[in-house]
Amino acid sequence: AQSVTQLDSQVPVFEEAPVELRCNYSSSVSVYLFWYVQYPNQGLQLLLKYLSGSTLVKGINGFEAEFNKSQTSFHLRKPSVHISDTAEYFCAVSEKTGANNLFFGTGTRLTVIP
Amino acid sequence: DVKVTQSSRYLVKRTGEKVFLECVQDMDHENMFWYRQDPGLGLRLIYFSYDVKMKEKGDIPEGYSVSREKKERFSLILESASTNQTSMYLCASHGRLGEQYFGPGTRLTVT
Repeated sequence: AQSVTQLDSQVPVFEEAPVELRCNYSSSVSVYLFWYVQYPNQGLQLLLKYLSGSTLVKGINGFEAEFNKSQTSFHLRKPSVHISDTAEYFCAVSEKTGANNLFFGTGTRLTVIP
Repeated sequence: DVKVTQSSRYLVKRTGEKVFLECVQDMDHENMFWYRQDPGLGLRLIYFSYDVKMKEKGDIPEGYSVSREKKERFSLILESASTNQTSMYLCASHGRLGEQYFGPGTRLTVT
């Protein structure tokens, strides 16, 4: 089974500052990679995904992530955060072949400070 | 847009009651999933279904069962609710490129 590690459980950052949320996974096979965002009392919303091709993936709300195969990482970044970005962010992995299960990290709570 | 709906946003039940959580998707997806979400534990897979009447146990199936009589509907059943099943329950439908689409969640409190 896959293992996904989100190294930071909480990340406070000032408004308009840059942010990076870290994600590492363990896998010996090819994977799809995802970032989801969850606003309070809501379900998860797909932020961006890496399926193949360019390792830099752009998503909604100005977020982007870079796939690094050698470091098995898929870190999420935004150059300037807004108050509205305060939410919980989940990294997820699925194998390209085999079962369709998604394996989730435990989440990173991003708090943007005015 | 894919739409996944869940029957209730908030639910309060008593210990020992039978609880039904319903999930409906409108994209004709074959695979559907039930997760529970708890602080510090992330999302944990309870059950998933890859076709009508087909189901597979996830990581934490104990105390739960599921039903998939129609392709668009996937139900989670708590046969006898217990306080340790107080949680947020999320349903998801699986797209063709590996992504999952989530419903808004049901926050269940068992007293």
